[in-house]
Order: sequence, then C-alpha cells, then structure tokens
Amino acid sequence: DQQVKQNSPSLSVQEGRISILNCDYTNSMFDYFLWYKKYPAEGPTFLISISSIKDKNEDGRFTVFLNKSAKHLSLHIVPSQPGDSAVYFCAASDRGSQGNLIFGKGTKLSVKP
Amino acid sequence: GAVVSQHPSWVICKSGTSVKIECRSLDFQATTMFWYRQFPKQSLMLMATSNEGSKATYEQGVEKDKFLINHASLTLSTLTVTSAHPEDSSFYICSVILRTYEQFFGPGTRLTVL
Repeated sequence: DQQVKQNSPSLSVQEGRISILNCDYTNSMFDYFLWYKKYPAEGPTFLISISSIKDKNEDGRFTVFLNKSAKHLSLHIVPSQPGDSAVYFCAASDRGSQGNLIFGKGTKLSVKP
Repeated sequence: GAVVSQHPSWVICKSGTSVKIECRSLDFQATTMFWYRQFPKQSLMLMATSNEGSKATYEQGVEKDKFLINHASLTLSTLTVTSAHPEDSSFYICSVILRTYEQFFGPGTRLTVL
C-alpha cells in the first residue's frame, strides 16, 4: 500500500505559467515532507521541505503548501522555466524513523518554451 | 549540503557474478547512509539503512545475504549485489543524512545484469 501518492505521472506547462504538482499521503505520523527534483540517470536533488507545524514554505520560485486535514501537499513553481523540466518526487518522513524517506512515484514535469 | 559520490556510475555484468557499488560522503562524516533502488517509472524504494560500525538494517523483503552492506568508515559505504540476476537490474542510489530529514543523494549507479 503506497503511503505517498503522486497521482499524476506527468504534467506539461507553458513557460512562464505556474506548475502545480500534487502529493497525497496516508500515514498521519508523517511530520516532515520534502520535494526532490531528479534528472535521468542522476540522484535526486533536494528542492524544498515543510514541517507539519507549518502550512506553507516558500523559497524563491518554489512554494510548498501543506493541508494536514486533507493529507495533501503541493509544490508550486512560478514562473515555470524550461530548466525546471524533470521528475519531481514527493517524500515524507516521521520523527520515529531514522530519517527514512518514503517516496512517491514522481511526476514528470515538462515546461515548454 | 553534503556532496555524495558513487562508483561506478554504471556497470554491466553477467548473471551470477557479484557487483560492488561504493558510496562516498566527500565533505561530511556520515554515521548513517541509506541505500535506495529505483525501477523504471517507479519510486525510490529504501533497501537498507547503513550504520557506521554496525550491521545494516534492511527493509522488509530485501535479502540481506544478497545485498551486502558494509559501512566501515564515516565516509564510505558499499553495497555488494551477490550472485546478480537480471531482475536485480536497477538504479541504485545512496544518500547521507546531514540532519534529521535532510538527505543528500549520490548520482546513482545503473546496474544491468545480462
């Protein structure tokens, strides 16, 4: 049973527009959420994170929103750039683990010029 | 962040042979490293947690006798895939944990077993 779900395998957005990537989770023990960006044949690169005590965290063009009651988080990228084209993974962790991350299957974002 | 390297970046081997993958933390002494595996179009799946100076902790369903992990120093963890078979072909990625929740990943190793 998947604890972290990214239901959209792909997303296509025009350059300059907003990209919204969604992630749902089932484990209420998760208290920290992260977004990673991954290019083919490379390891994931950390983008942004959010603690469960917050509902929003912003870093430049990237903003992560957390809705705990809905067990849902989203990553907003605005404005989207062609260089943002990659696979984005949502990951979650709980304080009781050793920092283990549970990943979603990823969403492939394509930003078209 | 932490800089993590992996070697080799890709390897092709014959079925039945063993393959060793190295994960190095270049600028950080890592007491804990993680090993993940990613199959095509799938998420990264945690295989095991590697602890310096002690035995690795394996996730359910991961054979510890098949995937040998050695974390002999604070900067190096190795994963050995023993008697590799085609179904072991995958992308293997390691990570180090800098602070709780903050993981930094290596570039990955593509293993192809013929």
